[in-house]
Amino acid sequence: TQLLEQSPQFLSIQEGENLTVYCNSSSVFSSLQWYRQEPGEGPVLLVTVVTGGEVKKLKRLTFQFGDARKDSSLHITAAQPGDTGLYLCAGERYGGSQGNLIFGKGTKLSVKP
Amino acid sequence: SQTIHQWPATLVQPVGSPLSLECTVEGTSNPNLYWYRQAAGRGLQLLFYSVGIGQISSEVPQNLSASRPQDRQFILSSKKLLLSDSGFYLCAWKPGAGYTDTQYFGPGTRLTVL
Repeated sequence: TQLLEQSPQFLSIQEGENLTVYCNSSSVFSSLQWYRQEPGEGPVLLVTVVTGGEVKKLKRLTFQFGDARKDSSLHITAAQPGDTGLYLCAGERYGGSQGNLIFGKGTKLSVKP
Repeated sequence: SQTIHQWPATLVQPVGSPLSLECTVEGTSNPNLYWYRQAAGRGLQLLFYSVGIGQISSEVPQNLSASRPQDRQFILSSKKLLLSDSGFYLCAWKPGAGYTDTQYFGPGTRLTVL
């Protein structure tokens, strides 16, 4: 059973378009992280959200944590080729051990010029 | 600032040979350390984690083992590699004290078993 479901799995868009990536679960998380990973490299942290309903902005990226802390979304405005990569969400469940994160399978984004 | 290193960056090994991947963290003390394996372009599978020297917890039964001989050093090993051990191995750290779930990843090691 995949505890964190990401959708879509693949997304190919043109430069300048907007997009939203979703991360959903039936479990409650104490916090949730979004990472971006490029081929052959380790994931790089984009943001951590910890409060239900929280919205964080990072330039053209907007992250939201659901009110019930079970889901999150990442919205990119006016996507650019540099946004291409694998976007991973990860969270720690309440009662989880040793700060272990549960990862979604990722959304592979391709932005074409 | 904290940094995390992994080596080697890439490795090609024959089936049945031993393995040793190393991960070191600088700029912090008593971190939690993690080893993950990532299938091609997909999510991460937690293999081992450690909350202190000599303390190793395994998440999945497998052909691999881990050790933490020093506070900021985490080693992934195998006595005899299998074809199925091929993959991208990532080490990560998290502050051991304080409340944060965020993990920070190293650059990874690409392992190919032939």
